[in-house]
Amino acid sequence: GQQLNQSPQSMFIQEGEDVSMNCTSSSIFNTWLWYKQDPGEGPVLLIALYKAGELTSNGRLTAQFGITRKDSFLNISASIPSDVGIYFCAGQLEAGNMLTFGGGTRLMVKP
Amino acid sequence: EPEVTQTPSHQVTQMGQEVILRCVPISNHLYFYWYRQILGQKVEFLVSFYNNEISEKSEIFDDQFSVERPDGSNFTLKIRSTKLEDSAMYFCASSVRLKNIQYFGAGTRLSVL
Repeated sequence: GQQLNQSPQSMFIQEGEDVSMNCTSSSIFNTWLWYKQDPGEGPVLLIALYKAGELTSNGRLTAQFGITRKDSFLNISASIPSDVGIYFCAGQLEAGNMLTFGGGTRLMVKP
Repeated sequence: EPEVTQTPSHQVTQMGQEVILRCVPISNHLYFYWYRQILGQKVEFLVSFYNNEISEKSEIFDDQFSVERPDGSNFTLKIRSTKLEDSAMYFCASSVRLKNIQYFGAGTRLSVL
C-alpha cells in the first residue's frame, strides 16, 4: 500500500521558534491533510489542501501541497506551549476515500 | 459544534471475546469510517461505509471484523474474537460526502488481555 514518510519524528523547540515538518510519498495524492492529535484524543484537522502548488494558512499555520503531488509541508510560526502534540500528515488518492497517514511528528515546546 | 462521539472510551476484554465499539457520526454525514492506532504508531485505515455497505476496506479488516449501521444514528465496529494484537485506539470518523473532510471521534481504547 501507499506509504507516507513524515519527518522529523520529533522536535523539541523553544517557545517562539518557528517549526517546519514535511511528508513525502512515492505515490501521487489528490488531497493532503494535516491533523493534530493531543494525548487521548482523536486527530483534529488543521489544514486541507486540494490542488498541487496550493499554499494555505490557518492562523500561525501554513501548509503547501507540493507541485509533484507527492509531498507537503507544514510550518508553524512563533510556537506557543499549546502547540505541543503530534502532527500527522494524511493523503487521499483520487480513487477512494481512505486516508493514508504519516508516522507523525511529536512537537515539544519549552516555555 | 457537531462532533463524532464514541463509546466506551476504554474497553477491556479477554482474548477470544467479542467486542462492539460504538460511534455516533455527525448527523448530516453520509460516509463513515473506522481507523485504528496501535500505541506509538500511525493511524491506519480499516473500513469505509456508505449507503449501508462497505465501500473500501484494508488488509487489516479481515473476517474477524464487521461494521453495521443498526439504526439512523449509530455506526458500530464488531471484532468477533479478539486477539492480543487487536489492542489499539479505534477511531470513528465521518464525512458529508465522498472526498469531503473526515472528522474524527476521540476514540475507544481497546485493551485485550
